[in-house]
Amino acid sequence: DAGVTQSPTHLIKTRGQQVTLRCSPISGHKSVSWYQQVLGQGPQFIFQYYEKEERGRGNFPDRFSARQFPNYSSELNVNALLLGDSALYLCASSTGGGIEQYFGPGTRLTVT
Amino acid sequence: AQSVTQLGSHVSVSEGALVLLRCNYSSSVPPYLFWYVQYPNQGLQLLLKYTSAATLVKGINGFEAEFKKSETSFHLTKPSAHMSDAAEYFCAVSVLGTSYGKLTFGQGTILTVHP
Repeated sequence: DAGVTQSPTHLIKTRGQQVTLRCSPISGHKSVSWYQQVLGQGPQFIFQYYEKEERGRGNFPDRFSARQFPNYSSELNVNALLLGDSALYLCASSTGGGIEQYFGPGTRLTVT
Repeated sequence: AQSVTQLGSHVSVSEGALVLLRCNYSSSVPPYLFWYVQYPNQGLQLLLKYTSAATLVKGINGFEAEFKKSETSFHLTKPSAHMSDAAEYFCAVSVLGTSYGKLTFGQGTILTVHP
């Protein structure tokens, strides 16, 4: 079975631009979570979606937004990029209970 | 709110030696606890989890961890280190509630294994 997939693998953006990151969960998983991992730190929770509804939001500015589609895939959008947004963005999927989360390989975003 | 503290940002052991990575948590309600491993330029792989069943949890690749409520600890151990264990390890805590299992991670411990 395919694991969590994310696209793109890497991307480079300029300050002020907007970016969209994509995630496909494991088949049968209805919950998707997004995390930001800055170099040298542990992942920080951004959002969790379940059945297309936002179930949780971390301490991130409104420049960060997300959505989940009927097929349970998800997009993370970041507007007005800052240098500090450079990080590895991880997507995780889980069943409805959300206890055990399975992570994708991440998208490495570099903002110049 | 919950939090995790990993003691030691870097741990170095010799191949065949005991691996001990320390994790202490803080949670106002009974927690779920996890250890994840991250290899360079990769995502996180679940090693093991504690979900209020047995306090000694066995995971993949010979790792295990013991939940000690009195010490608020969940240390990760492996009897004999292998070169392939070199990676970064993260301890995480979760409580089910309005956020349905949001994970809070520690800062990570980089494990180096010497020949």
